[in-house]
Amino acid sequence: DAGVTQSPTHLIKTRGQQVTLRCSPKSGHDTVSWYQQALGQGPQFIFQYYEEEERQRGNFPDRFSGHQFPNYSSELNVNALLLGDSALYLCASSVGLSGYGYTFGSGTRLTVV
Amino acid sequence: QQQVKQSPQSLIVQKGGIPIINCAYENTAFDYFPWYQQFPGKGPALLIAIRPDVSEKKEGRFTISFNKSAKQFSLHIMDSQPGDSATYFCAASLKGGGADGLTFGKGTHLIIQP
Repeated sequence: DAGVTQSPTHLIKTRGQQVTLRCSPKSGHDTVSWYQQALGQGPQFIFQYYEEEERQRGNFPDRFSGHQFPNYSSELNVNALLLGDSALYLCASSVGLSGYGYTFGSGTRLTVV
Repeated sequence: QQQVKQSPQSLIVQKGGIPIINCAYENTAFDYFPWYQQFPGKGPALLIAIRPDVSEKKEGRFTISFNKSAKQFSLHIMDSQPGDSATYFCAASLKGGGADGLTFGKGTHLIIQP
């Protein structure tokens, strides 16, 4: 039973560049949420996608955007990268909008230099 | 604004001991309180969760105690083992996370010594 799959696992980008991270949800899950985890901190909610629409959004600027595809997979895009965007980006999948029982992926480690 | 405060930041316990991790929340509208375990290089994994209508929940060696009036909840790990060494996060959400996602504490780095 495949869990949540994220790619790539590691990424190094230069300040000002743009990045796209990808997530395939757990089989049977239709909702994808993205979180940012800075070193030594708890994950912070970025946004949630359900039925190909952004349903909820945390306190993140518009440089952070996303997309959900008909097969429920999702992308996170970050434009105009800042050094402070360096973090572990986690994708979590679940069923519907209840939010119970999130399954997290192992994340993408983004380093901005 | 941190809505979930977690303590201690780090904890060392001997094998067989009972580590206790505490969390306090501010938003009385929270109605779902999960605990997650995270190993290095991995994403958080759900351990156990509780709703505010119960004061205690046990699953295997893990127990959540919940005090609604004090707006506090805690995780107890019975008969702790070296394999329990990990970072633990408490979290809280509105309506099970469907609105505004999960709000996490800053984490507790737990070491169980053999």
